[in-house]
Amino acid sequence: EIVMTQSPATLSVSPGERATLSCRASQSVSSNLAWYQQKPGQAPRLLIYGASTRATGIPARFSGSGSGTEFTLTISSLQSEDFAVYYCQQYNNWPQYTFGQGTKLEIK
Amino acid sequence: QVQLVQSGAEVKKPGASVKVSCKASGYTFTSYDINWVRQATGQGLEWMGWMNPNSGNTGYAQKFQGRVTMTRNTSISTAYMELSSLRSEDTAVYYCAREGGWFDPWGQGTLVTVSS
Repeated sequence: EIVMTQSPATLSVSPGERATLSCRASQSVSSNLAWYQQKPGQAPRLLIYGASTRATGIPARFSGSGSGTEFTLTISSLQSEDFAVYYCQQYNNWPQYTFGQGTKLEIK
Repeated sequence: QVQLVQSGAEVKKPGASVKVSCKASGYTFTSYDINWVRQATGQGLEWMGWMNPNSGNTGYAQKFQGRVTMTRNTSISTAYMELSSLRSEDTAVYYCAREGGWFDPWGQGTLVTVSS
């Protein structure tokens, strides 16, 4: 099983500032990495797939980078609606998919 | 628009089974796998397994092998996830999601509570 490790567990950032979230895979997943946003009481929402491609309707302030085992989600200028929990997911090891444990992005 | 709508909340006793449905609309149901993911309160996302609606083929996470069954009814574009021998640790929100590698969209979730 590929283990996905996200850091930090909690990130405190002020509105308007940049947030950088990390995700590491225990073995290479190539670019088969997705990011999701989840707000309380809601289902996860796809943000990024293919490590760097924004999903339909996702604002340009969200960007993804990385390949292999190291990945980053960057939110360039935090808006109030961006404070949520973010998960990474690998889909390289079909069909045994795994998620990271999540990073909670909170208002500083 | 592409949408997955799940059945309502369930309360079950330990040892019982639960069957959650996931109705797809806005796309060809048989063209994409459906995956199931669960989330206990305050916890992360746990992948349970997948089903190909065209062939009916399935694959389950080892943790759920022997307890989970994923099926479908193509005539009504609906996928099902049945979990048996329920225990308190199975209390969670269960999500279906359309899969193209990544998961998009997700159903709204179904809360399953296991309590005596």
